[in-house]
Amino acid sequence: SQQGEEDPQALSIQEGENATMNCSYKTSINNLQWYRQNSGRGLVHLILIRSNEREKHSGRLRVTLDTSKKSSSLLITASRAADTASYFCATDEGIYNQGGKLIFGQGTELSVKP
Amino acid sequence: DAGVTQSPTHLIKTRGQQVTLRCSPKSGHDTVSWYQQALGQGPQFIFQYYEEEERQRGNFPDRFSGHQFPNYSSELNVNALLLGDSALYLCASSLGGGANEKLFFGSGTQLSVL
Repeated sequence: SQQGEEDPQALSIQEGENATMNCSYKTSINNLQWYRQNSGRGLVHLILIRSNEREKHSGRLRVTLDTSKKSSSLLITASRAADTASYFCATDEGIYNQGGKLIFGQGTELSVKP
Repeated sequence: DAGVTQSPTHLIKTRGQQVTLRCSPKSGHDTVSWYQQALGQGPQFIFQYYEEEERQRGNFPDRFSGHQFPNYSSELNVNALLLGDSALYLCASSLGGGANEKLFFGSGTQLSVL
């Protein structure tokens, strides 16, 4: 079963606008990661936030983590057409983590129109 | 610095056949994870190899097996192919096993089972 659930499933915005994607998960975690995927090919790591962190920035990306609500959000500021892609959150299994298993959500499909 | 490479990029098989997919990790990485991604879904963890052993396994039948070689490259084997095995198979490499490091993904092998 899926650990992470992304919301919305699809998002369409204009260039220059901000895009916000949300992720919810079910169990305790050690960290949460966000990945990007273009056209069904390989995923690219964007950012990792650990369970004891609340916010992290990387360029135009801002990630928040609320472990009490078991949720995270990814904000992309000043979006560009090149940001068009699918975005996935991925979590480990916290205390149940026996190895390297990451559990991915179903993703948010972002479309940025020029 | 070569990233994660997978071969072949595309493959067409018929039901009941067997398939072998190959992966070379990013230079310096010693851990390989395999994921299956059905169309419109997030990647699903198959298993992870570290120090030539299967470290953790997802909810996949025994028809899915793997191997890691001393040079850290890896193979994924699927026997008795079913139509439902049609998917994008992604290989990801990391360092040191576990789920606390970001993954570097290859571009995937698109498997079609007819």
